[in-house]
Amino acid sequence: KQEVTQIPAALSVPEGENLVLNCSFTDSAIYNLQWFRQDPGKGLTSLLLIQSSQREQTSGRLNASLDKSSGRSTLYIAASQPGDSATYLCAVCNQGGKLIFGQGTELSVKP
Amino acid sequence: GAVVSQHPSWVICKSGTSVKIECRSLDFQATTMFWYRQFPKQSLMLMATSNEGSKATYEQGVEKDKFLINHASLTLSTLTVTSAHPEDSSFYICSARDRLAKNIQYFGAGTRLSVL
Repeated sequence: KQEVTQIPAALSVPEGENLVLNCSFTDSAIYNLQWFRQDPGKGLTSLLLIQSSQREQTSGRLNASLDKSSGRSTLYIAASQPGDSATYLCAVCNQGGKLIFGQGTELSVKP
Repeated sequence: GAVVSQHPSWVICKSGTSVKIECRSLDFQATTMFWYRQFPKQSLMLMATSNEGSKATYEQGVEKDKFLINHASLTLSTLTVTSAHPEDSSFYICSARDRLAKNIQYFGAGTRLSVL
């Protein structure tokens, strides 16, 4: 059974700092891995999607990497801003097309 | 980008009533839609997979008679919480998978259900 774990559960950093969020999964047989952002009480915003054949994806200040063999992904946020404060969710898409989510990392960027 | 509309965004109801939540894909056809439940400070848990024109597939531990799912068209799936009780209060989120891009799900904005 696929399990997705995110570390840390919560993170507080000063504005401007670069940071890394971690995601690990137990079954490497995935179609893709996706990082989402969720603001309190809101739905999900897709940030980056990495196909199983890819190693990384970049969008603006965000960079996500995927190491399928070791079951790990990282989300790198450069020059963090208070507006980046949110919960970040990692999800893997398994062979059946289902998404399995991690517990999320709650990020707080202090001005 | 693809848009999924979920309605209502927030509903308050009395215990014992039924609540229907709609999930629509606005600019693409979705043969498959998914329904998730999220408790405060927790992640999304898949409740069921809704396939157009057929019965939904429920995850283990989810009562199909409690959470009725209908997917009558390629753009609409509904989740009905029957005889809602306070323990059903939660955040419900749907997603839709593009018929042409099968590994990608697009998410609705979620529905917050509060049962008094």
